[in-house]
Amino acid sequence: KNEVEQSPQNLTAQEGEFITINCSYSVGISALHWLQQHPGGGIVSLFMLSSGKKKHGRLIATINIQEKHSSLHITASHPRDSAVYICAAGPGDDKIIFGKGTRLHILP
Amino acid sequence: KAGVTQTPRYLIKTRGQQVTLSCSPISGHRSVSWYQQTPGQGLQFLFEYFSETQRNKGNFPGRFSGRQFSNSRSEMNVSTLELGDSALYLCASRTHLQGHIEAFFGQGTRLTVV
Repeated sequence: KNEVEQSPQNLTAQEGEFITINCSYSVGISALHWLQQHPGGGIVSLFMLSSGKKKHGRLIATINIQEKHSSLHITASHPRDSAVYICAAGPGDDKIIFGKGTRLHILP
Repeated sequence: KAGVTQTPRYLIKTRGQQVTLSCSPISGHRSVSWYQQTPGQGLQFLFEYFSETQRNKGNFPGRFSGRQFSNSRSEMNVSTLELGDSALYLCASRTHLQGHIEAFFGQGTRLTVV
């Protein structure tokens, strides 16, 4: 079993829909990262959080430390949001463990 | 502020050759980590350098090595290339070690071994 599990693996939605991507982890963490990877390969760090909730534009990330679960939400989704979203857990010993990613495709 | 710069962006090598990839971190960042991304395995941690010393290492064979220079730039070397080494190699920089410090990623180097 992977230490960081994401769901769904693939998600296709219509423009404007509310998107939720989930991440569950089994390791103890000091921080959880949400990353976005576009088809060209470059990765952008969206959020790093260790508790509560963070919001940046149409993106919202939440984490529940007790349940070892985090969610990434996208409101009013747009085709340019199409990318792979990766959850990564930082256990605190300097390594980062990555989920397999969620491939999101927003249709116009 | 310039981001993390990786060179080259694309590379094609033949089996048995060796390759060196470069990563220039964000100015002021002293930690550089390297990751391999393949379709089957996803992103996997290779190693992390801080102040010219390797501080952590993932589960990769000895053909994968790296180093960090005094200006924090890092290089990753893969010797005796195998077809399975074809992957996107990403580096990330942080101000210093510790898991709760945000990492910034480069665009990656896509290596194809033929």
